[in-house]
Amino acid sequence: QSVLTQPPSVSAAPGQKVTISCSGSSSNIGNNYVSWYQQLPGTAPKLLIYDNNNRPSGIPDRFSGSKSGTSATLGITGLQTGDEADYYCGTWDSSLSAGVFGGGTKLTVL
Amino acid sequence: QLQLQESGPGLVKPSETLSLTCTVSGGSISSRSYYWGWIRQPPGKGLEWIGSIYYSGSTYYNPSLKSRVTISVDTSKNQFSLKLSSMTAADTAVYYCARLLGRWCPTAWGQGTLVTVSS
Repeated sequence: QSVLTQPPSVSAAPGQKVTISCSGSSSNIGNNYVSWYQQLPGTAPKLLIYDNNNRPSGIPDRFSGSKSGTSATLGITGLQTGDEADYYCGTWDSSLSAGVFGGGTKLTVL
Repeated sequence: QLQLQESGPGLVKPSETLSLTCTVSGGSISSRSYYWGWIRQPPGKGLEWIGSIYYSGSTYYNPSLKSRVTISVDTSKNQFSLKLSSMTAADTAVYYCARLLGRWCPTAWGQGTLVTVSS
């Protein structure tokens, strides 16, 4: 069981918008920065968002991140079939003194 | 361009110790800006953070693995390593090395190496 809770799956049509939630507690999301990762089948994860809402160079602005209290959200607009992947949230847990990830969310673009 | 490459055995026997090395190229492991770490992913499952190390040797470990894990750094070779003892089938996973922002946040990943625990 993961420290951070994500929905197992989400789906939306091409061109639409989808959000993926990540729920935690005051020891992790509530007091630390959140990052988001995209993992395409058979590949290593790729950083999409860091420090709650910052995009690394090369990540399109279709991807956005936000945080409120002990929850965080990844938003993806203008969905493309190439966005079909597993998405993970992660953060530092101050009680564990360790990094923690959510269980992952599979995005299907119908 | 930064590259990370994991190396080590693909098959480990139960109760043995896994040893993996990550070789960093295109950047210095002695950089004061980054930690370096290991993350694993069992087949068909999610990501699990294993631990991290700073060039000075300061480490953080996942409490669930702490009794079995050692991460070390060799600045002369621009490498860092993972040792995981008392391996069981539950440790079968793809093991990734990564450059970290802060103590935990992977920003660049190796391609990963599958380690299977089987007799």
